[in-house]
Amino acid sequence: LAKTTQPISMDSYEGQEVNITCSHNNIATNDYITWYQQFPSQGPRFIIQGYKTKVTNEVASLFIPADRKSSTLSLPRVSLSDTAVYYCLVGGHNTDKLIFGTGTRLQVFP
Amino acid sequence: EAQVTQNPRYLITVTGKKLTVTCSQNMNHEYMSWYRQDPGLGLRQIYYSMNVEVTDKGDVPEGYKVSRKEKRNFPLILESPSPNQTSLYFCASSLKAGIEAFFGQGTRLTVV
Repeated sequence: LAKTTQPISMDSYEGQEVNITCSHNNIATNDYITWYQQFPSQGPRFIIQGYKTKVTNEVASLFIPADRKSSTLSLPRVSLSDTAVYYCLVGGHNTDKLIFGTGTRLQVFP
Repeated sequence: EAQVTQNPRYLITVTGKKLTVTCSQNMNHEYMSWYRQDPGLGLRQIYYSMNVEVTDKGDVPEGYKVSRKEKRNFPLILESPSPNQTSLYFCASSLKAGIEAFFGQGTRLTVV
């Protein structure tokens, strides 16, 4: 089972781009990389998922290098409402256990 | 509306008094799981279920039981709660493990 490592916390200002990197050195061939966002006292919410190269949706981009041992979640032009904890998760589509890391607490300042 | 519903949202109980936290999903998902969240420890998986009648232990299963008799329901059972099970609990479901998961609103449990 791949274990993930993320920075504990990050600070940013409104309007800036934020990049959160996740390390997953033991990622398996059939593992996908998924990111979730969690606000206080709420359940995590799916942001984006990818396997390799780059994935983009309406809220974020996910960059995955060729060796897939890390990934970077990119949030363009953050706002105060992006203040949350972000979790990186690695697992296959038929993996049994899912292991969340401790997450990255992003604080956005005005 | 697609959702995962947990009940109760808040619960205070005493040590040793059996309790059940219910979880229900309306998306016909095969995979369901329970997590506990404690300060500084992130989300830790307690139990998961790949499908009806198929359950297995996650990372922190001690003191918990689950059952999956129907596809939509996945209750979490604490036979004899102890204070170290005081935590915030989340139920989640997804079509398959590793695919976009939907989480419930959480159950804040306090065992005194």
